[in-house]
Amino acid sequence: DIQMTQSPSSLSASVGDRVTITCRASQNCSPYLSWYQQRPGRAPKLLIYAASSLQSGVPSRFSASGSGTDFTLTISSLQPEDFATYYCLQSDIIPWTSGQGTKVEMK
Amino acid sequence: EVQLVESGGGLVQPGGSLKLSCAASGFIFSDFAIHWVRQAAGRGLEWVGRARSRRSDFAMQHAPSVEGRFTLSRDESKNTAYLQINSLRIEDTAVYYCARHGDRFADGLDVWGQGTTVTVSS
Repeated sequence: DIQMTQSPSSLSASVGDRVTITCRASQNCSPYLSWYQQRPGRAPKLLIYAASSLQSGVPSRFSASGSGTDFTLTISSLQPEDFATYYCLQSDIIPWTSGQGTKVEMK
Repeated sequence: EVQLVESGGGLVQPGGSLKLSCAASGFIFSDFAIHWVRQAAGRGLEWVGRARSRRSDFAMQHAPSVEGRFTLSRDESKNTAYLQINSLRIEDTAVYYCARHGDRFADGLDVWGQGTTVTVSS
């Protein structure tokens, strides 16, 4: 299985801050990497697919980059609705595997 | 409206069985793979398996961790995907989501159901 390691596991930030989350895979899974936002009690929501493509309807403050084994998700200016948990998910090799999540909390 | 609606969760004793359903609407069901992802309380996402689309001959693939106990299926006439879970264990307790995937290249899981809760307890 491909192991996905996210960092940090949690972070505290303020509205307007720039936030970066990292996901590292145990082997090359590029470009089969997507990012999801999950609010408490809700299903995950697709933000990014194919490592860097913004899903339709997702605000442009979300961006992502990376290749090979190292990927990042950036929120350029954190908004109140962005306080949530974020997951990366690789879809290159069965079984698909996700990071453990990064919880973005209000400072 | 594009939608997935899960049902069939509940409280079951260890060793029991459940069949979860995922009813799709608002899109051409056979063009999309349906994935199942579960999430135990306070934990991350665990991929369970996928029922692929027509272009992939409706192939079924499971995570090795559930092979032999979990069975995926889909009924094109009902626009519904199913997850049969047998020999349930305490550690199968989770919210089970179904999600849609374009079954092409590096698509993401772009539509999710609301989830159905499975609780395994004596």
